Amino acid sequence: SYVLTQAPSVSVAPGKTARITCVGDNIGTYSVHWYQQRPGQAPVLVIYYDSARPSGIPERLSGSNSGNMATLTISRVEAGDEADYYCQVWDSSSYHWVFGGGTKLTVL
Amino acid sequence: QVQLQEAGPGLVKPSETLSLTCAVSGASLNSATYYWNWIRQPPGKGLEWIGFFYFSGGPRYNSSLASRVTISADMSQNHFSLKLTAVTPADTAVYYCAREEVGRAFDSWGQGTLVTVSS
Repeated sequence: SYVLTQAPSVSVAPGKTARITCVGDNIGTYSVHWYQQRPGQAPVLVIYYDSARPSGIPERLSGSNSGNMATLTISRVEAGDEADYYCQVWDSSSYHWVFGGGTKLTVL
Repeated sequence: QVQLQEAGPGLVKPSETLSLTCAVSGASLNSATYYWNWIRQPPGKGLEWIGFFYFSGGPRYNSSLASRVTISADMSQNHFSLKLTAVTPADTAVYYCAREEVGRAFDSWGQGTLVTVSS
């Protein structure tokens, strides 16, 4: 089955840019979705179809996807961005949703 | 605005059946526009997709759980259900229900409910 790999943690200072990656075989041929999960809360969709933002999600969050890597970029990081972030794709070969293992973003 | 709310026992004994419901308001389960999903998250770990119910196509399950899982819907009550048989402590997790617009992502989630498997 399809596997998505995320780094367990990323740290960034306030005001800087955080890049959270999601690695998968030819992931560029998939549509990637990203979720933010703050402690004790349900996940929230922040990016869908690689780079689209749902209403209410700030423009500071952006996504890209090419080759074997998808990336969630958070510009001008704020304390409130501290959360776990998960990537997700639909694996049509197994007819499964697949999540990455998640990346914990720490704001220093 | 759609809302989803999970409900069910917080404690289940090993070898028994875990049963949860997800009440949906603001959207109809018999719409061909949406899939209705269950996802779980063991304490301190990541997300695992369990399966979905789709009005126009029936259920689909994660193959790793398929032998133990049933997802069904009650259209009259506008809720959908999860049953997981023969549970073990490894099934201890927060269980979420979520709506998926066909071909897109999980745009609405319930708050989640913790189910502990213990004697």
